[in-house]
Amino acid sequence: DTAVSQTPKYLVTQMGNDKSIKCEQNLGHDTMYWYKQDSKKFLKIMFSYNNKELIINETVPNRFSPKSPDKAHLNLHINSLELGDSAVYFCASSPSSGDQETQYFGPGTRLLVL
Amino acid sequence: GQNIDQPTEMTATEGAIVQINCTYQTSGFNGLFWYQQHAGEAPTFLSYNVLDGLEEKGRFSSFLSRSKGYSYLLLKELQMKDSASYLCALYNFNKFYFGSGTKLNVKP
Repeated sequence: DTAVSQTPKYLVTQMGNDKSIKCEQNLGHDTMYWYKQDSKKFLKIMFSYNNKELIINETVPNRFSPKSPDKAHLNLHINSLELGDSAVYFCASSPSSGDQETQYFGPGTRLLVL
Repeated sequence: GQNIDQPTEMTATEGAIVQINCTYQTSGFNGLFWYQQHAGEAPTFLSYNVLDGLEEKGRFSSFLSRSKGYSYLLLKELQMKDSASYLCALYNFNKFYFGSGTKLNVKP
């Protein structure tokens, strides 16, 4: 019954490694997002996809590459991890990219780079 | 950014009413949203405003004044489980811009 799910929930890794986070939604939504929440709890959008197409790409380093194989999945691959990448990454989805859309968030992936 | 400002932290007593303010500095946006986030959990949707005025949803109400660049979330009959962070967010052209959130502590 989980609406938006993410794996893994926790990720501890060494600096310089490459890692992926997966997200899936079973709500039939068209739009999916990746957010980063830093230690100050500030939630900032990174990417948005609508029907597998990238529609938002905020100022995010090229080391971050999203991939949407279908509209129910949006994965995030991170190359050459840095200490500053440590944060909670939330996936979210919404019905469409129009007005008044409510987002549903996944449980978050807590990434710690050592 | 949208320069969204919220108080960092507030404390209120169980059973009381609390108002969490949000000010912003942008003229154009589609809607203003409020989310609740318990520690270690994902944000969950509470309320949103498109037009000026008050939207009521049970114990929670949200108010918007576009001309004043101001919104607030009103929580009535506070319960201990309301202790959480409350995030104000502006929605504009497929993007949500979040404030840093207000941490609400409800004490007995």
